[in-house]
Amino acid sequence: EPEVTQTPSHQVTQMGQEVILRCVPISNHLYFYWYRQILGQKVEFLVSFYNNEISEKSEIFDDQFSVERPDGSNFTLKIRSTKLEDSAMYFCASSRLAGVGEQYFGPGTRLTVT
Amino acid sequence: QQQVKQSPQSLIVQKGGISIINCAYENTAFDYFPWYQQFPGKGPALLIAIRPDVSEKKEGRFTISFNKSAKQFSLHIMDSQPGDSATYFCAASRGRDDKIIFGKGTRLHILP
Repeated sequence: EPEVTQTPSHQVTQMGQEVILRCVPISNHLYFYWYRQILGQKVEFLVSFYNNEISEKSEIFDDQFSVERPDGSNFTLKIRSTKLEDSAMYFCASSRLAGVGEQYFGPGTRLTVT
Repeated sequence: QQQVKQSPQSLIVQKGGISIINCAYENTAFDYFPWYQQFPGKGPALLIAIRPDVSEKKEGRFTISFNKSAKQFSLHIMDSQPGDSATYFCAASRGRDDKIIFGKGTRLHILP
């Protein structure tokens, strides 16, 4: 069964450093998303991406964040200057159609900012 | 208005019992209500979903009950098994605005 994959599974970085989280969505999916989950809290929407541009972003997704689809298979989330409060699980998701809600989530990348 | 409120925060059920998790929403523009199951160290996995034009949807041991007038919906897990022990999130989204709004989650533990 096709699945969303994410790398790395765990990233440790120092405050102020740049990190890039990588995702490979399901191959015939067209819509891509990033969510994050701070430990013990709910999953929060960050950004959606379609046709090589951002469709929507939350207030969490400030100028420190950016997304890119550098080739036909990868989807990346970059945090330019990490803060302690960026420590969280970051989930990539993809869907074949927008508005249907059937998003498939990857296993996540645990980001630890020290 | 974008919130989805979920209860209880945690739930312990005997094997074979019925697990019930409740959710409520405010935004009447929501038109899709999925439930996600999450095991430790894994991403949320879609379990079952419902649209507001039906009052109930059943898939195996999992049933969603939906009350549109009360803006409430619930997940029932029949004949609960230890393998069902996980965190369950209710969620909602709008058709044209496809971000998913998650509840805070319910940690379910099924006693063997």
